[in-house]
Amino acid sequence: AQSVTQPDIHITVSEGASLELRCNYSYGATPYLFWYVQSPGQGLQLLLKYFSGDTLVQGIKGFEAEFKRSQSSFNLRKPSVHWSDAAEYFCAVGAPPPGDYKLSFGAGTTVTVRA
Amino acid sequence: NAGVMQNPRHLVRRRGQEARLRCSPMKGHSHVYWYRQLPEEGLKFMVYLQKENIIDESGMPKERFSAEFPKEGPSILRIQQVVRGDSAAYFCASSPPPGDNYGYTFGSGTRLTVV
Repeated sequence: AQSVTQPDIHITVSEGASLELRCNYSYGATPYLFWYVQSPGQGLQLLLKYFSGDTLVQGIKGFEAEFKRSQSSFNLRKPSVHWSDAAEYFCAVGAPPPGDYKLSFGAGTTVTVRA
Repeated sequence: NAGVMQNPRHLVRRRGQEARLRCSPMKGHSHVYWYRQLPEEGLKFMVYLQKENIIDESGMPKERFSAEFPKEGPSILRIQQVVRGDSAAYFCASSPPPGDNYGYTFGSGTRLTVV
């Protein structure tokens, strides 16, 4: 069975500072990995995804994530946070085809940005 | 091109009533997925449907919950005889046919409150 752990429930960061959100996954084969962002009262927006290839993935809004198989991790980073980055962030794992439709999400990390 | 449309955005039901949640997929998308987000938790997969077919309902509670995606019209998630524990955000996502590897687009969700 696939599962995701996001160890940090809440992170507070100053505007302009760097941000790193941790994600550890459990899956028996090569996973499909995702980061989503959810702003208050909104749906989920895909930030980036990893299927194969280069382990450093670039996403939207200046985010990037690095897949580390040896650590079963897929941490999300941003060099300089903006106030608009305050939101909840979810890491998710999925299976390759033909099971490529069911995602397992972590419990999320809430990011607060202080001025 | 409108995204995934869910309505209503907010729904309040008394215990024992029925809740009907609607999801209109993106134009060109023939696959619909429902997820539930309980308070303080990540999204949990409920069901995967294609037009007139339930493909995977492994995440649906055995009783009181049902889903359909008719040939015409939106997908409907129905919860009969709601209880307080059904209070959650219900998200719908849609995608093109398989082969696009999680080409999901999420809607903004329906927040169900059972009083």
